[in-house]
Amino acid sequence: DTEVTQTPKHLVMGMTNKKSLKCEQHMGHRAMYWYKQKAKKPPELMFVYSYEKLSINESVPSRFSPECPNSSLLNLHLHALQPEDSALYLCASRRQGSNTEAFFGQGTRLTVV
Amino acid sequence: QQQVKQSPQSLIVQKGGISIINCAYENTAFDYFPWYQQFPGKGPALLIAIRPDVSEKKEGRFTISFNKSAKQFSLHIMDSQPGDSATYFCAARTRKNTGFQKLVFGTGTRLLVSP
Repeated sequence: DTEVTQTPKHLVMGMTNKKSLKCEQHMGHRAMYWYKQKAKKPPELMFVYSYEKLSINESVPSRFSPECPNSSLLNLHLHALQPEDSALYLCASRRQGSNTEAFFGQGTRLTVV
Repeated sequence: QQQVKQSPQSLIVQKGGISIINCAYENTAFDYFPWYQQFPGKGPALLIAIRPDVSEKKEGRFTISFNKSAKQFSLHIMDSQPGDSATYFCAARTRKNTGFQKLVFGTGTRLLVSP
């Protein structure tokens, strides 16, 4: 199993809503990532979890709240988002080690209205 | 500063031709250089990767050339096919001794292979 599964695939939410994005992998990877990608731009790193602990927060606004309940699961809780937060949200995971690559999920296309 | 510059921004190649995408980095704080392929609406998929102690790596029609002294690396797609039409991102991973490792992405190249 070399998959990173993200749900939902598409999400439309209002600015007052609370929603969550989910990411799951069963490859035994202990590093998991959230990225945000705007159209025609590269992915931008938001958060990194290592062994279920938050290792990097790239100055992301508090309306985005990550959570790593266990080694296979990563959530991103969304609250009071703005229209400019509309983007493709990507989850990735990586096995720790020197010659290891990050595997990306298919992303959640988020639209904030 | 950790940056990866990528060129060209877009590229049109005829079927059967060679597609070449170039990347350059500005410091030596990187230890691994993957290339990702991304189709519209999908997540990036790892294509091929190289370590800085290797000058070339080939996998099928895809080859990475790496020039450590010039701090440049490139992706060559031989016999380009319409199915290769996608956005390609080069990336560089920061060294462990600089903190928690993360990928720094290039700006992307949109490749169109015409039939």
